[in-house]
Amino acid sequence: EAGVVQSPRYKIIEKKQPVAFWCNPISGHNTLYWYRQNLGQGPELLIRYENEEAVDDSQLPKDRFSAERLKGVDSTLKIQPAELGDSAVYLCASSSTRGRDTQYFGPGTRLTVL
Amino acid sequence: GENVEQHPSTLSVQEGDSAVIKCTYSDSASNYFPWYKQELGKRPQLIIDIRSNVGEKKDQRIAVTLNKTAKHFSLHITETQPEDSAVYFCAAILSGTYKYIFGTGTRLKVLA
Repeated sequence: EAGVVQSPRYKIIEKKQPVAFWCNPISGHNTLYWYRQNLGQGPELLIRYENEEAVDDSQLPKDRFSAERLKGVDSTLKIQPAELGDSAVYLCASSSTRGRDTQYFGPGTRLTVL
Repeated sequence: GENVEQHPSTLSVQEGDSAVIKCTYSDSASNYFPWYKQELGKRPQLIIDIRSNVGEKKDQRIAVTLNKTAKHFSLHITETQPEDSAVYFCAAILSGTYKYIFGTGTRLKVLA
């Protein structure tokens, strides 16, 4: 089966610019996660979706970050405006209802804010 | 909340030797513990996992042990090969909560 797909793989922007990341989960996986991974650290959860509903966004910096999963399949994570400290890898993961504990990760988007 | 500590942060071993990475968790209610391998610039890949009703699980050269009393679990890689070089992350999760708490990672280098 195809894995989690993310685009773009790399993004370089100036601070204060907006940026968006896209994720397509594994087919049939109704749970989708966005993580941020700083250099040398483990991934940290930003938001979790069950179908189209954001059920855990407690770690999402809502002043500048937003996310959507309108049809319960693919998802977009946006930052506006970006700050220098937002430079990181943004990972998307998905899991199924049946095997809900196991998360499968996409390749990530490496964001560099200059 | 859950906290996961992972040691060592870096580990170098000679090819053919064994490598052990240890994680300690704080929430005794955690009951699922996956291990991920992340090669440079690539996605984290699940390599093995264990649930709290099991003390040990093995898959070829990889094994994971769990000590619920001490709240720690370890990854064991035997007969290491250069392609085992990567960053390894442990995680703990309370089954059904979906929230992974990751360790800070161990950079394993296998020297040929």
